[in-house]
Amino acid sequence: DAGVIQSPRHEVTEMGQEVTLRCKPISGHNSLFWYRQTMMRGLELLIYFNNNVPIDDSGMPEDRFSAKMPNASFSTLKIQPSEPRDSAVYFCASSLTSDQETQYFGPGTRLLVL
Amino acid sequence: DAKTTQPTSMDCAEGRAANLPCNHSTISGNEYVYWYRQIHSQGPQYIIHGLKNNETNEMASLIITEDRKSSTLILPHATLRDTAVYYCIVRSYGQNFVFGPGTRLSVLP
Repeated sequence: DAGVIQSPRHEVTEMGQEVTLRCKPISGHNSLFWYRQTMMRGLELLIYFNNNVPIDDSGMPEDRFSAKMPNASFSTLKIQPSEPRDSAVYFCASSLTSDQETQYFGPGTRLLVL
Repeated sequence: DAKTTQPTSMDCAEGRAANLPCNHSTISGNEYVYWYRQIHSQGPQYIIHGLKNNETNEMASLIITEDRKSSTLILPHATLRDTAVYYCIVRSYGQNFVFGPGTRLSVLP
């Protein structure tokens, strides 16, 4: 079975550019999570969706960040405009439900904003 | 406030059991203990979880003390591929996972 799929795996961009990260959750999973990991702050939850609806976006750092889930098999995290401090590894995870104990993580997208 | 306390790092000889401790003295009755690990450059991987009984699966065993204030994750025969950061997380259903700094386990040849 395919796990959580993320693309791109690596992204290098210049400050001010728009960045779009993509995630395909495990088929049949109803909850999707976006995390960010940095050395300074560790692994942080940014936002999560239940049945394609955003439930908690309190972790989204600012208005430059937005996330969508147009259908059950696809989600995007967009940063516009990007800044050097956005450099991090972004993980997507999915689970059967938000209450369900096991979240399955993707391989992550390593973002570098110059 | 952190709900769990873990040692920053540990070493273990290859082939020996790795015992990773976790303190969670303020755990409440409906909170589970979860363990995830993160191998370098990969996403976190679920290992095991439990409420109050000891649990075992193909990856590890979880021993929870009777008062539930601490637990130990046991990797019975550590291999070099078990080198990773191990996260102990206390969470009730419906709560978000909060990842602390974890324990960096180094399995040595």
